[in-house]
Amino acid sequence: ETGVTQTPRHLVMGMTNKKSLKCEQHLGHNAMYWYKQSAKKPLELMFVYSLEERVENNSVPSRFSPECPNSSHLFLHLHTLQPEDSALYLCASSQGRLSSNEQFFGPGTRLTVL
Amino acid sequence: AQKVTQAQTEISVVEKEDVTLDCVYETRDTTYYLFWYKQPPSGELVFLIRRNSFDEQNEISGRYSWNFQKSTSSFNFTITASQVVDSAVYFCALSEPTDSNYQLIWGAGTKLIIKP
Repeated sequence: ETGVTQTPRHLVMGMTNKKSLKCEQHLGHNAMYWYKQSAKKPLELMFVYSLEERVENNSVPSRFSPECPNSSHLFLHLHTLQPEDSALYLCASSQGRLSSNEQFFGPGTRLTVL
Repeated sequence: AQKVTQAQTEISVVEKEDVTLDCVYETRDTTYYLFWYKQPPSGELVFLIRRNSFDEQNEISGRYSWNFQKSTSSFNFTITASQVVDSAVYFCALSEPTDSNYQLIWGAGTKLIIKP
């Protein structure tokens, strides 16, 4: 089983839809992350979960809602998105949430908002 | 303020050429870590190397080598005898690890194209 998996790989949704992105890690890590990758921009950290504590980037709009039911699973719930939310959404995990720890990434979900 | 600059947006070379990807960083801390990640077309970022600020020895791993110079705040990455499979976007990142700091500071990435 690949270390970090993400589903779906591609998603097209309208602005009024509600959808969820799923991430699962099989590495026994205790920290998980959501990143947004837009064209020609640095990776943007959206949310971090570590030992059930959530840390978030205050600039992330409330139309993005994370959920972490356990240390292996992470969801990103999407609702009433905007076209500028179209991007590659990457999930990552690490052992411990310190930024000095190596992060393992999933293949990402390519999201298109119409 | 923390900052990572990858000035080369895109580099294109012919297979078997050597190529160097530049990374310049800014930090006020004496303890920090630098990373390189590779993002192939499949999408996932792949960890290549982590170097802490107290270890300035250059590192070599097969065709890959890294040159860390604190005097110029640079952590450059060289691929020797490049191959088509090296085509990817490469990211440099900076970490200042503290209990409250969980964020990597990422560069914008350099797209490397290796032509056969």
